[in-house]
Amino acid sequence: DGGITQSPKYLFRKEGQNVTLSCEQNLNHDAMYWYRQDPGQGLRLIYYSQIVNDFQKGDIAEGYSVSREKKESFPLTVTSAQKNPTAFYLCASSIALAAYNEQFFGPGTRLTVL
Amino acid sequence: SQQGEEDPQALSIQEGENATMNCSYKTSINNLQWYRQNSGRGLVHLILIRSNEREKHSGRLRVTLDTSKKSSSLLITASRAADTASYFCATDAARANKLTFGTGTQLKVEL
Repeated sequence: DGGITQSPKYLFRKEGQNVTLSCEQNLNHDAMYWYRQDPGQGLRLIYYSQIVNDFQKGDIAEGYSVSREKKESFPLTVTSAQKNPTAFYLCASSIALAAYNEQFFGPGTRLTVL
Repeated sequence: SQQGEEDPQALSIQEGENATMNCSYKTSINNLQWYRQNSGRGLVHLILIRSNEREKHSGRLRVTLDTSKKSSSLLITASRAADTASYFCATDAARANKLTFGTGTQLKVEL
């Protein structure tokens, strides 16, 4: 089955720790995205990648880092510099970086900082 | 500020009724998309409407776009309990090639 997967579904971390969220897609999409969703709010763009070995900051990149070493993988690291990391994180992909392209979303990772 | 603002924030209807959700945005757009999100899950694309289109249909969904009013509406006809979800509009108004999502409308369809 083609799709986009995220792991883990739930993640707990202590303050001061870095944590990496996994995102994998087998849709052969060039573009990938990371969004953050807080309760009752829409999605905010953290980082996006147009192609392998390229990525750009979104609206709320501070305290986050990404890599795009492989086309199918776009991991997100939440660093200790992120002041309020507890949120629902969504990864998405599209065939190319263009706003008219449908984005396909993973099931999300809920991160809780204890 | 959010480019897409959905209205109402929450909507509760009975099964079989129609549900209408509205989205307003601030600057000119090329495209507007609607997505659905079941609780605690990822988003699923529903429909895209281009700025030169006024109406599109997909099954029980009808989307309209009024660029003069900078607004779009999503109508779900003959709603079902399975339609219970949050619905988001997304536009390319704020920056080229990337989507800006609204805050969403929570729809509850009761039996």
